[in-house]
Amino acid sequence: KAGVTQTPRYLIKTRGQQVTLSCSPISGHRSVSWYQQTPGQGLQFLFEYFSETQRNKGNFPGRFSGRQFSNSRSEMNVSTLELGDSALYLCASSKTGSEQFFGPGTRLTVL
Amino acid sequence: SQKIEQNSEALNIQEGKTATLTCNYTNYSPAYLQWYRQDPGRGPVFLLLIRENEKEKRKERLKVTFDTTLKQSLFHITASQPADSATYLCALESGNNNAGNMLTFGGGTRLMVKP
Repeated sequence: KAGVTQTPRYLIKTRGQQVTLSCSPISGHRSVSWYQQTPGQGLQFLFEYFSETQRNKGNFPGRFSGRQFSNSRSEMNVSTLELGDSALYLCASSKTGSEQFFGPGTRLTVL
Repeated sequence: SQKIEQNSEALNIQEGKTATLTCNYTNYSPAYLQWYRQDPGRGPVFLLLIRENEKEKRKERLKVTFDTTLKQSLFHITASQPADSATYLCALESGNNNAGNMLTFGGGTRLMVKP
C-alpha cells in the first residue's frame, strides 16, 4: 500500500510570491491534514479536510488556504510569501480519525 | 492557554537501558494522546495511541502511560537500541465533538542511544 506522497519535495520562492503544495493520501483515507514544522515553533496544525470540506482550522493567517478534491487529494496554497513561511510542510492522512500517516514533507525556502 | 511540554534537552542513554520520555500538558481535556517518532528530514511516524480511560498501553518494546490527574504521559522504550535514536513527539486531540483530526504536538524530545 503506497504511503502519503507530497510534491514537490523542495521549493525555493521569493517574498511576495505564492506557492501551491500537493498531497496524495493513502488510498481509502478521506481525512487530510496539513502541518507546518519550524525549529522555533515545532509542528503546528494548519487545517484538516474531510470529504472536500474543511473540518478544522488552526491559528494561521488567511494567506494559508487549502482544498480537497473528490479523490481525497489535497492542495495547500500560501499567498504573498514571507520569510517566516520557510518551513517543512507536512501532510497527513487518516482513515480512523485518530492515528495519522505523514508524508515526507515539502521543504519550502523563502528568500 | 493550552500547553504541551516535552523535555527539550536531548536524552542520552546507553544501549540496553530503558528510555523514559515525559509529556506534560495543561488546560487540556484530551480524549486520547498519541506518540510519534520523527527522524531527521522525514515526517513523523505513528507509534502508539492511548485513550483517556486507559492507564497503560504496550507494543513490543514500547510502553505508554497516561495519567489524566497528573496531566502527564510517560513513554518508555525498553532494551533500547541505537536504531531507536530519533525525536519523539507527543500529540493531543482535544476531542471537542467537532470531529476530525486536530492534533497539537509537543516540541519533541531527542533520544540518543549510545552503543
